[in-house]
Amino acid sequence: SQTIHQWPATLVQPVGSPLSLECTVEGTSNPNLYWYRQAAGRGLQLLFYSVGIGQISSEVPQNLSASRPQDRQFILSSKKLLLSDSGFYLCAWSGQGLNTGELFFGEGSRLTVL
Amino acid sequence: GNSVTQMEGPVTLSEEAFLTINCTYTATGYPSLFWYVQYPGEGLQLLLKATKADDKGSNKGFEATYRKETTSFHLEKGSVQVSDSAVYFCALRGGYSTLTFGKGTMLLVSP
Repeated sequence: SQTIHQWPATLVQPVGSPLSLECTVEGTSNPNLYWYRQAAGRGLQLLFYSVGIGQISSEVPQNLSASRPQDRQFILSSKKLLLSDSGFYLCAWSGQGLNTGELFFGEGSRLTVL
Repeated sequence: GNSVTQMEGPVTLSEEAFLTINCTYTATGYPSLFWYVQYPGEGLQLLLKATKADDKGSNKGFEATYRKETTSFHLEKGSVQVSDSAVYFCALRGGYSTLTFGKGTMLLVSP
């Protein structure tokens, strides 16, 4: 069966510090991968998605970046965090193709920037 | 572009009450529609889905009907439980596009 894990689960970082959140998927190959951010009162915001290794689409311009160094690994990074980067970050995957609509989410990573 | 509008919460109900969470959408073509649920401190998980007009998705006593004429996908449950307390997200996916989510509706069920 397929599983998705992301870490760390909780992170408290000072403004201006770097960030690295990692997500891995097991039990499937060539998944679509996604990073969402959930901020209070703003629902789910798609940040990045990837349809293959090295292929990253950015939905929202910001100081965050994403990378996909391996087929089932998706990393969210920042060189310098802002207060506004605080939120709950969710990694997700879906199968390739039109018929797969469902997203499978990780447990989430709560980031607090102070 | 695609968009999803769902009622703002929190929705506060007593156990065994009837639940409706409204969801309407804007999309071109024939999107697939979804309800996701997020329990406290967890990621999202799929609750139910419908892929074409007049389809009814159902799971765990929840159901929603894809109404193309009213562009709606309202979530209903006849008798809620305390364990149903969570945030519910309506979402759509059109073609090869990514999922578009609503802002979420928090449901609080008291004993």
